[in-house]
Amino acid sequence: AQTVTQSQPEMSVQEAETVTLSCTYDTSESDYYLFWYKQPPSRQMILVIRQEAYKQQNATENRFSVNFQKAAKSFSLKISDSQLGDAAMYFCACQGRGAQKLVFGQGTRLTINP
Amino acid sequence: GAGVSQSPRYKVAKRGQDVALRCDPISGHVSLFWYQQALGQGPEFLTYFQNEAQLDKSGLPSDRFFAERPEGSVSTLKIQRTQQEDSAVYLCASSVDKSSYNEQFFGPGTRLTVL
Repeated sequence: AQTVTQSQPEMSVQEAETVTLSCTYDTSESDYYLFWYKQPPSRQMILVIRQEAYKQQNATENRFSVNFQKAAKSFSLKISDSQLGDAAMYFCACQGRGAQKLVFGQGTRLTINP
Repeated sequence: GAGVSQSPRYKVAKRGQDVALRCDPISGHVSLFWYQQALGQGPEFLTYFQNEAQLDKSGLPSDRFFAERPEGSVSTLKIQRTQQEDSAVYLCASSVDKSSYNEQFFGPGTRLTVL
């Protein structure tokens, strides 16, 4: 079983600045996957970035990168050069290897100030 | 469009009514998921299909909730005798095959309001 905790209900950042969203998780699985999803106001969830837990190298996708600390069970998302289109709810999620369902955190609402 | 579609987008039901929510996954996607998202919360897993087989229904909150995917494509989530606590956004997602780590593609959701 997995649990995912996002301790920041809301965050804001100035356009072009960098922001980090926090996520901690707990799992009994020895191997698992971690995801960040974005949910804009239109409600359609979009995958931002994903990480395989057995890989030590942090995943990067353009302006988005993660800081994966396996021992601390931490998986934070860094957004560089924030853009107005980054404004959304961001959800951290965990998936056990061999399982299918995603277990989500409560979400962080990100506001971008122009 | 090539994405996941859901209908209706909005549904208002009186307490005690039955509702049916439809999901059209991306063509050819083997796996289909239903999630329930209460206001201000993250999505919570309801059930999972691999083709037409319902392999996991551990998240269904009560026996009033029923899901099917008879031909391995379109899925319907049915809620009988709706209650106010059923008010939520119901999200459908599909992924290309049964492997973990695959991206789940989400639909826009159906917002259900039970009066």
